Amino acid sequence: EAGVTQFPSHSVIEKGQTVTLRCDPISGHDNLYWYRRVMGKEIKFLLHFVKESKQDESGMPNNRFLAERTGGTYSTLKVQPAELEDSGVYFCASSLLTGANTEAFFGQGTRLTVV
Amino acid sequence: GEDVEQSLFLSVREGDSSVINCTYTDSSSTYLYWYKQEPGAGLQLLTYIFSNMDMKQDQRLTVLLNKKDKHLSLRIADTQTGDSAIYFCAERSGGYQKVTFGTGTKLQVIP
Repeated sequence: EAGVTQFPSHSVIEKGQTVTLRCDPISGHDNLYWYRRVMGKEIKFLLHFVKESKQDESGMPNNRFLAERTGGTYSTLKVQPAELEDSGVYFCASSLLTGANTEAFFGQGTRLTVV
Repeated sequence: GEDVEQSLFLSVREGDSSVINCTYTDSSSTYLYWYKQEPGAGLQLLTYIFSNMDMKQDQRLTVLLNKKDKHLSLRIADTQTGDSAIYFCAERSGGYQKVTFGTGTKLQVIP
């Protein structure tokens, strides 16, 4: 069974450009999460989807970030316009259930570099 | 808000035990996790412990939880070069899906 996959694995863009990151969760997982690790700091929560609905987007840094999950399958995270401080590794995770202690499976991350 | 802290770096010799420490601030933490990230790979859940437990052992891994001091540790017995990775401590409060991670501890195993 395929795990959580993220595209691209690396992206280098100039400040002011737009970048779209994609996450394909494990098939059947209704819960999808985005996290970000900036410059060796802690991994921070960005948002949580349950199917196509945003359950919690309290971690989104500002309105330059837009996450979507149309149809409740894959998700995209768009940064527009990108700033230097957006550089980091963006992780996506998915889980089957919302209750109890369900394991979230993480993708390999997308390393974003804004120059 | 919630805060999870770890030391950034640990170096051990192959065959020795490694102990990675973590402190957290959220007294309502229900689940505490250790994740491992190998170079170029995603986060892998190593083990977890419920907040009502003091200890959990899984083969070479031992997790100790001191809830009073909000201190969590991961002990790796007989550390191997394949254990070299970044280890993230994380916590989650019951009823919430958001996981709060620490900065990660980079474990270097010297042959």
